Amino acid sequence: DAGVTQSPTHLIKTRGQQVTLRCSPISGHKSVSWYQQVLGQGPQFIFQYYEKEERGRGNFPDRFSARQFPNYSSELNVNALLLGDSALYLCASSYGASRTSNYGYTFGSGTRLTVV
Amino acid sequence: AQTVTQSQPEMSVQEAETVTLSCTYDTSESDYYLFWYKQPPSRQMILVIRQEAYKQQNATENRFSVNFQKAAKSFSLKISDSQLGDAAMYFCAYRSAAYSVSGGGADGLTFGKGTHLIIQP
Repeated sequence: DAGVTQSPTHLIKTRGQQVTLRCSPISGHKSVSWYQQVLGQGPQFIFQYYEKEERGRGNFPDRFSARQFPNYSSELNVNALLLGDSALYLCASSYGASRTSNYGYTFGSGTRLTVV
Repeated sequence: AQTVTQSQPEMSVQEAETVTLSCTYDTSESDYYLFWYKQPPSRQMILVIRQEAYKQQNATENRFSVNFQKAAKSFSLKISDSQLGDAAMYFCAYRSAAYSVSGGGADGLTFGKGTHLIIQP
């Protein structure tokens, strides 16, 4: 069974541009979360989607948006890129949205975004 | 808001020895989950061990065990018989149990800054 897949693996963008990152969860998982991991720090929660609805957002500006598709895959969009958006963006999937997800999340290997 | 603190930026241990990584957290909630994740150079976060706050028994997974002290809000990870493959960044993480399908809310993890574990051969 395939794990969580993210694309692309690396990306270089210029300040002011827009970027779209993609994530495919494990088959059967209905919840997808996005995290930003700046170099030397732990991941920070950006969004969670469950059954195609946004269930929560971390402390990130409106330049960050996301959506989840009927097949439960997800896209993270960042507009008007800043140098400070350079980070590893991690996607995590879990089965549900209750105590069953206490088994933790399965993470992808991330997309390394560099803004120049 | 919850916070997670890992006070050891880096730890070094000899192969086959035992090492303990520290984690403290701050929360006003009584029901929550705690996790340790490992992040090797491949970047993928791998779940090492989890603990439900309502369980008094410390979790154990093979060579990995935790010392969960709820009153002290402490959640340390002990790695026994350290192996070269254990070398990685280790992150402690917190998740509220208040999240539910009907109640809404986000199911996000709050991570510490991590501890870089070095295994000396």
